[in-house]
Amino acid sequence: NAGVTQTPKFRILKIGQSMTLQCTQDMNHNYMYWYRQDPGMGLKLIYYSVGAGITDKGEVPNGYNVSRSTTEDFPLRLELAAPSQTSVYFCASTLQGARSTEAFFGQGTRLTVV
Amino acid sequence: AQTVTQSQPEMSVQEAETVTLSCTYDTSESDYYLFWYKQPPSRQMILVIRQEAYKQQNATENRFSVNFQKAAKSFSLKISDSQLGDAAMYFCAYREIGNEKLTFGTGTRLTIIP
Repeated sequence: NAGVTQTPKFRILKIGQSMTLQCTQDMNHNYMYWYRQDPGMGLKLIYYSVGAGITDKGEVPNGYNVSRSTTEDFPLRLELAAPSQTSVYFCASTLQGARSTEAFFGQGTRLTVV
Repeated sequence: AQTVTQSQPEMSVQEAETVTLSCTYDTSESDYYLFWYKQPPSRQMILVIRQEAYKQQNATENRFSVNFQKAAKSFSLKISDSQLGDAAMYFCAYREIGNEKLTFGTGTRLTIIP
């Protein structure tokens, strides 16, 4: 199993550009998440999804959009990139309803906005 | 909203010694999960250990064990026989039952001294 796969691993954007961070999982997990991790900080939730067609905002959703058209994929879109969006982005997934189920994380995308 | 507090930004320990990382959390729920994740320089988030709040017994995984004090809302991680490969950022995380969002602390950077 590949688990959670994120692409790209690194990206540099110019202010005002847009991009999509891709995330796919092959574990048939219903919950998927996007987190950002700023230097020296913990992970903050941007958006999450409880299943295909359903998304909801987390702590820090401004400047981002998501969609969930399939169980496997949960892309994160940045419109009009700003320097404040320089961060490491993690996608994660988990299975609701199973006790003690851990969240599985992708390897992260380091994004720099200049 | 739930909060997770890690009051030790940095810790260091001699190789082969024991170290304890602290975590406290705030919740009004009675059933939830607690996790410790390790993040080495590779950025990968790796689950170290999990605890279910309804279980009184403290979880153990080889050299890793927790001291779960539910009334005090405390969840510390003990690493015995510290090894060089234990050097990493360690994050404490909380998750409610039925609301699968993970809330993270700000992390503790652990250094192992040879």
